[in-house]
Formats: sequence, C-alpha cells, structure tokens
Amino acid sequence: QERLEQSGAEVKKPGASVKVSCKAFGYTLTDRHLHWVRQAPGQGLEWMGRIDPSGGGTLYAQKFQGRVTLTRDTSLNTAYMELSALRSDDTAVYYCAKEIWHFVLWGRGTLVSVSS
Amino acid sequence: DIVMTQSPDSLAVSLAERATINCKSSQSLLHPSTNKHHLAWFQKKAGQPPKLLIYWASIRESGVSDRFTGSGSGTNFTLTVSSLQAEDVAVYYCQQYSSDPRTFGQGTKVEIK
Repeated sequence: QERLEQSGAEVKKPGASVKVSCKAFGYTLTDRHLHWVRQAPGQGLEWMGRIDPSGGGTLYAQKFQGRVTLTRDTSLNTAYMELSALRSDDTAVYYCAKEIWHFVLWGRGTLVSVSS
Repeated sequence: DIVMTQSPDSLAVSLAERATINCKSSQSLLHPSTNKHHLAWFQKKAGQPPKLLIYWASIRESGVSDRFTGSGSGTNFTLTVSSLQAEDVAVYYCQQYSSDPRTFGQGTKVEIK
C-alpha cells in the first residue's frame, strides 16, 4: 500500500528555518513528481512547488521563491521541504503529494507553528 | 497563472438534497497533449489531508461514493453531490493541473441545513 509519511510537528521562532520530510512507502520516489501544498489556519490550499525526484529539478511558486528549497535523498526514498526566514503567517499545515498528473496520494501533513 | 474561482463560497443543503459547486478557470483546461480537461476536485475535512474525489474533470477516484459527480468542459466545471449525507460536510476545492503553478479554487464550505 502506497503512503507518504511526514515528519512531526515543529515549533519555530520568527526568522528561523524549518525542514519537513516526506518519506514514500510502497513506491519509488523517483517514479513521480512530488509537490508541496500548505494550508494556513482558516485559509485555503496553497501550492508551494514541486520536485522531480529523478533528476532533482524543482519549480517554486513565485510567492516562495528564495525562501523555499525542495530536495530529495533517493537512497532514503525521502523528499524534503525547507522554508527559511519564517514569519508568523507561515504557521500552517504542510502537505506533500504525489502526482500522476493529478495529486493522487497525500501525506497526513506537518504542522509548523511560528511564534516568538 | 491560471486563476480558479469557485462559487458559492459556502452553501447549506438539507440531508438527501443535492449540492452543486461551480468552478471557473481563467483559461481552458483542455490540454492539447492529452485532449483531456486537467481539473480535479478534493474534499477537505479538518485534521485530514485533502481527499481526491474527481480527476480529468469527470473521473471518479476509486472508492469514492457515486453520489459525487464531476462535469464540465473548457473553463466551467461542476461538482455535484446528489444526495447530501452528514459525512459530506467539508470544504471542497477544485484544482487545475494543466500548467504550473498548480492553482486551487478558494474552496466551498458545505454544511447541513
């Protein structure tokens, strides 16, 4: 059974960075693009970017350019999302999602709280 | 960027009645490479990840109740819940995957009247 397992909740101070992991089970990460989506409290779903785990190529939403870095470790079948210069409005649940054109499989989400 | 606009923002429907959600894209989602509409619908409940309901605008995901139907073409799409059940209370999102950046509608909150 395929699943995406994400790392646990994080609490960070403004200005810090956070790195969230997303480990694939039941399939090889390099087979499909992996996307990151977030949802802030009371807000909608927001696409952040994607990585091609095969070659490592990335595409970021303009809003997050310069602050987000998507990487992967193929030996661990794991993808990572790092967000820097955190602000209070980055408080959100961050999801990874596997694409086969559409987003067919989602992780359960990682809550990142940013507070002084 | 393709802008996705849903209507209404919220609706309250009686149990067993029909719920209809509309989604309009700023560009056609008919992709020349596939000749399909690159439009998906998700159901989002608090504390859970989004659940894929419909893809290619009208294909129901395996295991999804046949009460959920997707339709539409070009730039106008609809998600219909034929007979609303209590477990259907959620926020519903459309999303285009025709081009990057992938964009979502703002969401439609469905409640029981």
